Amino acid sequence: AQTVTQSQPEMSVQEAETVTLSCTYDTSESDYYLFWYKQPPSRQMILVIRQEAYKQQNATENRFSVNFQKAAKSFSLKISDSQLGDAAMYFCAYLSPYSGGGADGLTFGKGTHLIIQP
Amino acid sequence: ETGVTQTPRHLVMGMTNKKSLKCEQHLGHNAMYWYKQSAKKPLELMFVYNFKEQTENNSVPSRFSPECPNSSHLFLHLHTLQPEDSALYLCASSRGTTDTQYFGPGTRLTVL
Repeated sequence: AQTVTQSQPEMSVQEAETVTLSCTYDTSESDYYLFWYKQPPSRQMILVIRQEAYKQQNATENRFSVNFQKAAKSFSLKISDSQLGDAAMYFCAYLSPYSGGGADGLTFGKGTHLIIQP
Repeated sequence: ETGVTQTPRHLVMGMTNKKSLKCEQHLGHNAMYWYKQSAKKPLELMFVYNFKEQTENNSVPSRFSPECPNSSHLFLHLHTLQPEDSALYLCASSRGTTDTQYFGPGTRLTVL
C-alpha cells in the first residue's frame, strides 16, 4: 500500500513571499499520479496541481509549481507571491493506475496548515 | 470546479436514526467516490463507483450503505451510527478512475 507523508503540520509565510510545502511518498509502482489539493475554511477541496509520474517536467499552474523528484519520492509545492487567499490546509495525494478492478482512490497525507501573514 | 453538490451540508442525528447523504455531479463523469475526513486523520476512501458499479469498499462498517442509481447521483445511507462516525463526508467524481477527482463541499455529520 502507498503512503503519503507531509512532515510540516503548519507553515507560516509573509504575504508576497514564497513558501514551499513538502511531501514524500512511498510506492513500489513506476507509474502513478500526484496531486496537491487545497482546503480553505469553507472545507471545499480544490485541486491545485496534478503531476504524472512519467513526465519529467514539473507541473506549473500560475503561482503554483511543483518540484517532482521521482527517485527521491518527493513532491513539494512552491507557492510564489503568497496571497491572503492562499491560506488553507494543503493536502498531497497519490493515485495509482494499477489497482485491480478500478481504483483505490486517492491516498492523502495529513495536510499542512498554511498561514499567510499580512 | 463547482460541479459537485452535496446535501445536506450539516446533519445532526441520534444513534438510532436513519438518514441519507446525497451527492450529485454535473460534470458528465463516470466515477464517484465517498471519503471520510475526521479530525487529526488523513482523508479515508470509503467507496468507489465506476459506471454505477461498486469497485472498492475499504472495509467500511455495514452501518454505511452506498447507493449509485446512475452516474450522476451517489447516496450514502446511514443507520445506527456511532459517535466516532462524526466527521466531514466528502463526495468526489472523476471522468475515469485515473483522472483528476473533483470534490463537493461536504456534509458535516454529528452523531449524538
